[in-house]
Amino acid sequence: GENVEQHPSTLSVQEGDSAVIKCTYSDSASNYFPWYKQELGKGPQLIIDIRSNVGEKKDQRIAVTLNKTAKHFSLHITETQPEDSAVYFCAASNYGQNFVFGPGTRLSVLP
Amino acid sequence: GAGVSQSPRYKVAKRGQDVALRCDPISGHVSLFWYQQALGQGPEFLTYFQNEAQLDKSGLPSDRFFAERPEGSVSTLKIQRTQQEDSAVYLCASIDTDTDTQYFGPGTRLTVL
Repeated sequence: GENVEQHPSTLSVQEGDSAVIKCTYSDSASNYFPWYKQELGKGPQLIIDIRSNVGEKKDQRIAVTLNKTAKHFSLHITETQPEDSAVYFCAASNYGQNFVFGPGTRLSVLP
Repeated sequence: GAGVSQSPRYKVAKRGQDVALRCDPISGHVSLFWYQQALGQGPEFLTYFQNEAQLDKSGLPSDRFFAERPEGSVSTLKIQRTQQEDSAVYLCASIDTDTDTQYFGPGTRLTVL
């Protein structure tokens, strides 16, 4: 079955700097890769996603890149703000089924 | 519109008790997932419904776990004879199948004493 790894497990950045979180997956059949932000006491919230027919996607300060050959995808947050502090999860899915999550990255943005 | 709701938000059970956790998905979403999230970990798949049909229950950790969605809308996850290792947050998510976007509820934090 699918296995998703995520690095780093914790990340601290200064406000205004960029943050990058990387994930790898094992199943070449996976074709949908969402990223979620989870704040304390809340469920994960989708922040951006990418499909296997696209190499990069941007939404304001957030971007995701996908390398299908290497089976890895990354989340990039630019101009970080204190409210970006949270736990971020990547996931891999095959046509909206079998979502497998990474172990998470705790991002701290220091003012 | 209304998102995914779950109840109760918090549940404390004595070991051996049965519990029932409820999920109200977004109206019209036919696909529904249950996940278990241990402290400091990512969500782990438990089971998946399409309408009232339970298509995959391979993630249920034991036969003490049972899920149902009898009318294809509200779903209930039942845990019988709870054990301490069942302590976790149980998340429900419904899917917009047009976009594969998964919408999570706030979760139910279960503590088994």
